[in-house]
Amino acid sequence: SYDLTQPLSVSVALGQTARVTCEGNNIGRKNVHWYQQKPGQAPVLVMYRDYSRPSGIPDRFSGSNSGNTATLIISRVEPGDEADYYCQVWDNITEFFGTGTKVTVL
Amino acid sequence: QVQLQESGPGLVKPSQTLSLTCTVSGDSISSNTYFWSWIRQPAGKGLEWIGRIFSSGSINYNPSLKSRLTISLDTSQNQFSLKLSSVTAADTAVYYCARGTGTMEDYWGQGTQVTVSS
Repeated sequence: SYDLTQPLSVSVALGQTARVTCEGNNIGRKNVHWYQQKPGQAPVLVMYRDYSRPSGIPDRFSGSNSGNTATLIISRVEPGDEADYYCQVWDNITEFFGTGTKVTVL
Repeated sequence: QVQLQESGPGLVKPSQTLSLTCTVSGDSISSNTYFWSWIRQPAGKGLEWIGRIFSSGSINYNPSLKSRLTISLDTSQNQFSLKLSSVTAADTAVYYCARGTGTMEDYWGQGTQVTVSS
C-alpha cells in the first residue's frame, strides 16, 4: 500500500493563492496527477506529471513535486475553483488516490 | 472528443454480483495508446481505484478487491465491463469508468450510483 495524505480542507480568499499538498514516501520520484471534482460531477484532470496542464486548464493552475511532497498551486483563485482536489500516483502497477482536499473560496 | 458512459443496475442484493458496462465513443478501446479503468467513490468519501485493462488484454486489479473482480473488454461493442462478486453494503458507491494513459486517467464517465441492499 502507498499512503497519500492531503489536508482535509484549504480556505483561500478570492484572488489569492491556494496550495494543496499531497504527502507520500519519496513521492518526488513518482509522476503525480491532480483531479478536480465538483459536487455531483466526475473528477476532471487538472494537472499531470507533476506540473503539466491538460488542454483547457487555465495557467492559474501549476504544480510541483519534490521529496515527500507534491503541491497543486492555484493562483488568483476564482469562485469556480471551489471543489475537492485529489492527487494520484502509481506504485508499481497499483493506483492510489490521495485522501482529498476541499478548497473553499472565501 | 472521447466520451464514456457507465450502465448497469442501480440496485444489487447482498452476496450477488455487481455488473457494469462502460460504452466508449470517440475512441477505440483497441487502441494501444490507452488503458481502461474502473474507479469508485462511496458517498462523501474519496476515490478508490478498482482496476484497469489494456487493449492487449492485460489486467491489473486492486489487491484488496482482486478475489472478487473481473474486468473484460468487448471490442465488437467498444465496451469494457466490471463484475464484482459477493457484494456487501461496503460496495455501495458511485462507479466511474475512465480512459487512462501513462499513469493517469484523462477522461471519465459521469458515474453511476450502485446501491447494495436487500
